[in-house]
Formats: sequence, structure tokens, C-alpha cells
Amino acid sequence: AQRVTQPEKLLSVFKGAPVELKCNYSYSGSPELFWYVQYSRQRLQLLLRHISRESIKGFTADLNKGETSFHLKKPFAQEEDSAMYYCALTVTNNAGNMLTFGGGTRLMVKP
Amino acid sequence: DTEVTQTPKHLVMGMTNKKSLKCEQHMGHRAMYWYKQKAKKPPELMFVYSYEKLSINESVPSRFSPECPNSSLLNLHLHALQPEDSALYLCASSQDGSGANYGYTFGSGTRLTVV
Repeated sequence: AQRVTQPEKLLSVFKGAPVELKCNYSYSGSPELFWYVQYSRQRLQLLLRHISRESIKGFTADLNKGETSFHLKKPFAQEEDSAMYYCALTVTNNAGNMLTFGGGTRLMVKP
Repeated sequence: DTEVTQTPKHLVMGMTNKKSLKCEQHMGHRAMYWYKQKAKKPPELMFVYSYEKLSINESVPSRFSPECPNSSLLNLHLHALQPEDSALYLCASSQDGSGANYGYTFGSGTRLTVV
């Protein structure tokens, strides 16, 4: 069965500092990985997809199959980045498609 | 329209009541999902509908009954719930049941309180 682990429940940094939110996964097949973000009082929204290799709001994430990791990084944190971040993995089989979330990391960016 | 709309936003119901949660999307997505999210926890998958057919039921108790009347609508019928069922219920949609590359679009949820 697939599993997503985010080892840090809370990450607190100062504005302008680098940020790395860790994500490790276990899945026997070829994974499709995502980062979702939930700002205060807002809905859960897609931040990044590993397949697109894009940078959104200054965040990047690289899939490392050897280390089974998909860490989220930003070189200079901003106060508006404070939110709950979820790493998620998609499994597709004959029954359909399932998105499984990690436990989440709350990022607090202090002024 | 690029949103998933859920109604009601808040619901308080007694353990003997019957109520329904509604979810709507007009993005042409053919897969829709119900998730349950308890406070300070990640969303947990309940049901998956693919092309209006129930394809995944994650061992959800029968007091939760999903329904997909058409490709734009998803309902969750609630009956004889327990206080521990109080949670935020999220609806999501994706392009289709196999095309996960684009990710899911989530609604803002229905906050359910069972008294």
C-alpha cells in the first residue's frame, strides 16, 4: 500500500530564510506526486505537480526516486507563505484514482 | 467556472436526522471524490466516482451513502450519524479517473457537527 510521510508537523522560519518541507513516500509502482497548500480559511489547493517540473510562488520540488522523496523548497520565505502544506501521492488502478495525503506540515514564517 | 461548489457550508444534525451534502462542478471533470477531514489531520478518502459510477469505497460505514446523479453533481446522504462523524467533508474533482496529472480541485467543504 502507498504511504506518504511528512516528518515535521511544524516548521517555523524567519522571513527571507530558506525553506525545505520534507516528504517521503513508499509505493511499489511509478508515483505521481503533488504538493497541496491550505491557507487560513481557504480551500485546499494544488501547489505543484512533480510531472510538470514547474515553480509556483517561488516553490520547487524535485522527485528523487532513489531516496523516495519529494521535498518542497523555497530559497526566501515570505510571510504570506504561512499555511498548511500537504504532500500527496496518486495511485491509479483498475478501480480508479486515489489521492493519498501525508500528515501535513504547518509552515510559519515570522517577520 | 473553475471551482467545486459545496453546500451547505455548515450543518448541524441530530443522530436520528437524515441530511444530504451537495457538490457541483462545471469543469467537465469525470471523476469526483468525497474526503473526510478531522481537525489538524489530513483529508482521508471516502468514495471515488469515475464516469458517474462508484469505483472506490474505502470501507465507509453504510450510514454514509454517496450518489452521483450526473457528471456535474455528487451527493452524500447522511443517516443515523454518530458524534465522531463530526468533521469537514470535502468534495473534489479531477479530469478523469485515470488522468491524475492535473491534480484534484477541492471544494471549500461542509463543516458537519453531529449532536
